[in-house]
Amino acid sequence: AQSVTQLDSHVSVSEGTPVLLRCNYSSSYSPSLFWYVQHPNKGLQLLLKYTSAATLVKGINGFEAEFKKSETSFHLTKPSAHMSDAAEYFCVVTPRGANFGNEKLTFGTGTRLTIIP
Amino acid sequence: GAVVSQHPSRVICKSGTSVKIECRSLDFQATTMFWYRQFPKQSLMLMATSNEGSKATYEQGVEKDKFLINHASLTLSTLTVTSAHPEDSSFYICSASGTSTFTDTQYFGPGTRLTVL
Repeated sequence: AQSVTQLDSHVSVSEGTPVLLRCNYSSSYSPSLFWYVQHPNKGLQLLLKYTSAATLVKGINGFEAEFKKSETSFHLTKPSAHMSDAAEYFCVVTPRGANFGNEKLTFGTGTRLTIIP
Repeated sequence: GAVVSQHPSRVICKSGTSVKIECRSLDFQATTMFWYRQFPKQSLMLMATSNEGSKATYEQGVEKDKFLINHASLTLSTLTVTSAHPEDSSFYICSASGTSTFTDTQYFGPGTRLTVL
């Protein structure tokens, strides 16, 4: 069994300040973890993924996340927010495997990021 | 690479009619496709998983006779909402994973917004 908890349903930050979106996971297996972003009325875009290599994962648009097994966390960060970062962010977990593109994804409930000009 | 398209992007139909939504992988072969449903301001709920040439596997609580899924080729899956009712109004998103270098995650389409009057 696996689950994801996104601790904040809504985060507001000022443009140019750091972003922190929190995610904790629970998994019976070694997990793979992802962050996806969804802009209004759009599909999901993969920001970054952790599979089994380096615990600090760098993604697109300046985002990164750190896998911390001891804390069962996979928080998403960005040093400086941009107006274009305003969107919904989903933390996702799936069992790690050689072909986990075919595994069921378990989504968190999402965090809406608002950027204040 | 790894582009998934959906058609149509928006559809409005009358209650009682059927609507077909197409999901295509444009530059890779999708051995597995997933269909999700997303209610406003909520997370994605997996409806079903389909493998090319096989019957779809539906999640608990999803009516397979209402949501017909066909995955007839390695680049196309369709979701048909039969006898649609207003409660079927939602944002439907497909994802696909494939062979070779495209097994590492699911690639999402842009979504289809269905409104049933």
